[in-house]
Amino acid sequence: NAGVTQTPKFQVLKTGQSMTLQCAQDMNHEYMSWYRQDPGMGLRLIHYSVGAGITDQGEVPNGYNVSRSTTEDFPLRLLSAAPSQTSVYFCASSPLGMRSGNTIYFGEGSWLTVV
Amino acid sequence: GESVGLHLPTLSVQEGDNSIINCAYSNSASDYFIWYKQESGKGPQFIIDIRSNMDKRQGQRVTVLLNKTVKHLSLQIAATQPGDSAVYFCAENMGGQNFVFGPGTRLSVLP
Repeated sequence: NAGVTQTPKFQVLKTGQSMTLQCAQDMNHEYMSWYRQDPGMGLRLIHYSVGAGITDQGEVPNGYNVSRSTTEDFPLRLLSAAPSQTSVYFCASSPLGMRSGNTIYFGEGSWLTVV
Repeated sequence: GESVGLHLPTLSVQEGDNSIINCAYSNSASDYFIWYKQESGKGPQFIIDIRSNMDKRQGQRVTVLLNKTVKHLSLQIAATQPGDSAVYFCAENMGGQNFVFGPGTRLSVLP
């Protein structure tokens, strides 16, 4: 039971480069989301999806794109990386309609540095 | 457990003592709250939750208290152990599946 798998774990990018953070879950969860975590701040929602083909913006969506072509995968794309996007990124999934903390699963995180 | 900008507040406790971690939440309409534990280099782990129709909920060695009057949440850990060292943060929810997360408090357990 893999849960939520994020890749890569660590990445260094140059300003202006693009890249994709991958997120996959094997629990057939409809709801998936991406957060960023910065020092001294809580997790902030970037984008989320309530099912295949449906995505929506969170609190801090600028500079990021997402797509949800399958239930399992929810990649996060940085179009033109900026130093302000240096952060730790977490993907999460949960069943839709269940607002219960013990059904929310987080990945292990992706550490991104933009130089 | 109040936000102090870029620096996480730290709570240091002796092994075996009880820990109390605090969280001020932002929205009076929030009706569901979660406490998470985050160890270094890992994703958040669910500890305990509470709904707004309760003011106290107990788990194994942990208790969450909710004071809706002052929008305050606390997490009590009994007999704190070295494995409890981590960052703890609360999350609030007003319906739907999106949560607002607090900045967290670092718990350091002293031998």
